[in-house]
Parts: sequence; C-alpha cells; structure tokens
Amino acid sequence: ETGVTQTPRHLVMGMTNKKSLKCEQHLGHNAMYWYKQSAKKPLELMFVYNFKEQTENNSVPSRFSPECPNSSHLFLHLHTLQPEDSALYLCASSQDAGGGPDTQYFGPGTRLTVL
Amino acid sequence: GQNIDQPTEMTATEGAIVQINCTYQTSGFNGLFWYQQHAGEAPTFLSYNVLDGLEEKGRFSSFLSRSKGYSYLLLKELQMKDSASYLCAVRDDNYQLIWGAGTKLIIKP
Repeated sequence: ETGVTQTPRHLVMGMTNKKSLKCEQHLGHNAMYWYKQSAKKPLELMFVYNFKEQTENNSVPSRFSPECPNSSHLFLHLHTLQPEDSALYLCASSQDAGGGPDTQYFGPGTRLTVL
Repeated sequence: GQNIDQPTEMTATEGAIVQINCTYQTSGFNGLFWYQQHAGEAPTFLSYNVLDGLEEKGRFSSFLSRSKGYSYLLLKELQMKDSASYLCAVRDDNYQLIWGAGTKLIIKP
C-alpha cells in the first residue's frame, strides 16, 4: 500500500447506527486530518492531529469522535448521525502541521450516506 | 470572515488554454495551493506559491499576486483527462488551509 488509504470507500448507515471510518498513511508523516466535502461547498476541516495530539477541533458536533492511536492511523467514530451529515469524508496527511509548504496528501475518501 | 472565490464551472476545448482564477481574503497568508480532483477521487497536489510571480510545471502554471489577493492556474494544451475540479486553498496565520469550493473544468473535443 502506498500513500493514504481509507476504508470503507462507501458507507450507508441509519441514524441510530454506530460506525467507524479508518485512515492509514504510508508516507511517514506526523500530521493527519479529517475533512468533510459536500457538493459544491469548500472542504471543511474537522480535526487535526499533529504527532498524535489533537490540535484542532473546528466546532464539530460530538456525534463525530476522532481517534489517533499512532501517527500512521486515524479513525472517525460516528454515532447518531443526521441525514445532513451525508458527504464525502476525506483523510489527509502532511509532514507536520507547521510552516513551509507542508503539502497535504489525501486519501480517496469515504462516501457516507445517512438514511 | 475568510473567503476564497473561484468560478463554479468552466468549459474549454481540447488543445486550448484555460485560466482558472482564485481571489482570497484571509487572516494572514502563508502560501497558496492548487489541487486537482477527478470525480470520485482524492484531491491531488498541483502547485504551491508563497512569493509573487509565476511557477511553471509542465503544462500547468500558477501565478500569485499577494497585494491583490489573487492567483490563477493556467492549463495549456488541454487534454480530455484534464476534466476535473480544481481547488484553490490558502494557508492562513493559524497555518490552517482555507479552501475554495472548486472550479469544475469541462473539456470538449
């Protein structure tokens, strides 16, 4: 595996379900990110982890819960979601969330549909 | 508030040249990025500008004017595979990326 991988690629869940999204990066990076991408809207940054520590939480509802057990893996735990949470969830990684270019590399995303 | 503006959609012809504009108003500036995203795929990095001027990389070039809060992505010798969305993003003073909504580029034969 190379780059950034995400599983599952597609997920359909009911509002009462609990599910988790998984992201893994094989780039030796120290920072990982969760983004939400809705149609015709800008990418919304949800969470940032730098050296396994959460450094940003952009007013995300508590029904989204991130977990970063090490600098290569990132999870997004989902529970009691709403239909408006349906979107593409993208994971990204970068060398570290500091200065310089610090280019972010993205996974293919999980297409989430909440019924 | 912070804002990135880019056209929603553009159409161009195979073999031609197209310029995608991006204007921004952010709290500080620490670089501007362009990404390409094909439908159903991950955004992929195209270019990074932090100083004024033109950066050329093959068929793609990116220009930045910090005083005008303006950038453009120039695509030459368009190919059908260039049909995609192009995302502009600016890193602000908190080193967070502020994203535009993307420009969907349609290439016609």
